[in-house]
Amino acid sequence: EIVMMQSPATLYVSPGETAILSCRASQSISKNLAWYQQKPGQAPRLLIHGASTRASGTPVRFSGSGSGTEFTLTISSLESGDFALYSCQQYSEWPLTFGGGTKLDIK
Amino acid sequence: QVLLVESGGGVVQAGGSLTLSCAASGFTFDSFTMHWVRQTPGKGLEWVALISYDGNNVLYADSVKGRFTISRHNSQNTVYLHLNSLRVDDTAMYYCAKIRSYYVYRDTFDIWGRGTMVTVSS
Repeated sequence: EIVMMQSPATLYVSPGETAILSCRASQSISKNLAWYQQKPGQAPRLLIHGASTRASGTPVRFSGSGSGTEFTLTISSLESGDFALYSCQQYSEWPLTFGGGTKLDIK
Repeated sequence: QVLLVESGGGVVQAGGSLTLSCAASGFTFDSFTMHWVRQTPGKGLEWVALISYDGNNVLYADSVKGRFTISRHNSQNTVYLHLNSLRVDDTAMYYCAKIRSYYVYRDTFDIWGRGTMVTVSS
């Protein structure tokens, strides 16, 4: 099973600044990586697929990069609605696996 | 509007059974593989099972294999998850999720339901 590791567990950033979230795979997954945003009491929302392709409705402030085993989600000009839980997911191999999540919190 | 609505969660004793349902609308249901994903506060998101668009192929996480069964009725736009021999560590929010692309099994999830909570007591 491919293990997905996210860091940090919690990231404190001020509104208007840039947040950089990391996701690492235990083996190469090419670009088969997705990022999800989840707010309390809500289901996850797809933000990025293919490591860097924004899903429909994802603001351009969200950008994904990386391939192989190292991936990054960058959120620029943070807004109040961006403070949430972010999870990465690999869909390269079965079983599909998720990272433990990074909680983005207000500094 | 594309929508998934889960139901059927509740509190059940260890060893018991439960059936979850997910009603879909707003898309061509029989063209998409459907999945169940669960979430616990401590362990995050965990993929549970999939069923192919035509219902002919299923796949399970090792943690639920032999205990859970996924099925679907395309005529009713509904997917089910039958949970048997429940354990305390099956306690989680269970989400129904639609795969992003037509006819593929492995992809990202572009639509999620709001989830239904399953609590297994000892």
